[in-house]
Amino acid sequence: DTEVTQTPKHLVMGMTNKKSLKCEQHMGHRAMYWYKQKAKKPPELMFVYSYEKLSINESVPSRFSPECPNSSLLNLHLHALQPEDSALYLCASSPLGQPNYGYTFGSGTRLTVV
Amino acid sequence: DAKTTQPPSMDCAEGRAANLPCNHSTISGNEYVYWYRQIHSQGPQYIIHGLKNNETNEMASLIITEDRKSSTLILPHATLRDTAVYYCIYSGGSNYKLTFGKGTLLTVNP
Repeated sequence: DTEVTQTPKHLVMGMTNKKSLKCEQHMGHRAMYWYKQKAKKPPELMFVYSYEKLSINESVPSRFSPECPNSSLLNLHLHALQPEDSALYLCASSPLGQPNYGYTFGSGTRLTVV
Repeated sequence: DAKTTQPPSMDCAEGRAANLPCNHSTISGNEYVYWYRQIHSQGPQYIIHGLKNNETNEMASLIITEDRKSSTLILPHATLRDTAVYYCIYSGGSNYKLTFGKGTLLTVNP
């Protein structure tokens, strides 16, 4: 299995809702990442997990809460989002160490906050 | 953050070679150059990476200058399916995160 699977593919949520994005990989990668991508912009790093521990938080608002329950799963819990949080949310995984033989990205969850 | 400079857009005729340049003048000795591409509405796809030597795989070739301050990604026979945004990134050492720049939109024309 050489894929990163993200669910759901599309999500519409209200500003008072709580929802979660899910990401799964079975490549044995010990680093997992969340990126946010607005339209016509490059992906922006949000969080990095290495060995299931949060290692980088790029000053992301607390309404985004990541979780890594095991080495194959990565979740992003969403609460009280704003319309400007509407974006494509990308998950990626990679082996640790250098050289890093490439991130594998999922196809993303397209989130719309109404 | 690691900064790279790429042209915002390029055109290429189908079947011809596409040569995408990237400047990375602040790259450190232990940092690798990576190339990714993103086809519309999909996740980025890894293409190739290199440190000092030129590299080739089934997708592309990577030419890195001797001073390592710039590189060129070569798609030898571009097809319409190669139309995408191409990102040049450098990363390495204790920094294993990838920071995307603005990339180059390559349009392959029939």
